[in-house]
Amino acid sequence: KQEVTQIPAALSVPEGENLVLNCSFTDSAIYNLQWFRQDPGKGLTSLLLIQSSQREQTSGRLNASLDKSSGRSTLYIAASQPGDSATYLCAVPYGGATNKLIFGTGTLLAVQP
Amino acid sequence: NAGVMQNPRHLVRRRGQEARLRCSPMKGHSHVYWYRQLPEEGLKFMVYLQKENIIDESGMPKERFSAEFPKEGPSILRIQQVVRGDSAAYFCASSPFAGGQETQYFGPGTRLLVL
Repeated sequence: KQEVTQIPAALSVPEGENLVLNCSFTDSAIYNLQWFRQDPGKGLTSLLLIQSSQREQTSGRLNASLDKSSGRSTLYIAASQPGDSATYLCAVPYGGATNKLIFGTGTLLAVQP
Repeated sequence: NAGVMQNPRHLVRRRGQEARLRCSPMKGHSHVYWYRQLPEEGLKFMVYLQKENIIDESGMPKERFSAEFPKEGPSILRIQQVVRGDSAAYFCASSPFAGGQETQYFGPGTRLLVL
């Protein structure tokens, strides 16, 4: 059974700081791993998707890495801004052809101006 | 290309009433997923549908919940005789193909409050 956990559960940093969010999963047989952002009362926005054959993926100030063998992924946010404040979720597809996503518990990020 | 549409965005029901949540996938997407986010909990998979077929409903409560994705029209998540514990955010996602390589695109969610 696939389980996905995220640490820390909450993080507060001053503006401009670089930060790392962590995601771990128990079953390394994954197709990909996806990072999402969720703003309060809103839906999910896909940030980055890393295929199992990739080691990392970058988009602007965001960089996500994937280490399948150790069951870990990290999301690195450079030069954080108050607008980055949100809950960050990682998810992996599970269940073969079903592709249902198993989500982590999320990290609530607050970037202080 | 409009994104995934969900309506209503907010729904208030009294205990015992029925709740109908609608999801229109992105154009060209024939695969729909429903997830539920209970207060203070993470997102949990409920059901996966293709047009006119339920493929995986392993996350659906056995009673009172049903889902459909007809040939024409939106996908519907139906909750009969709602209870307070059904209060949650319900998210729909769609993808163009099945399989683990495809990303899912999420709608804004329907927030259900049961009084």
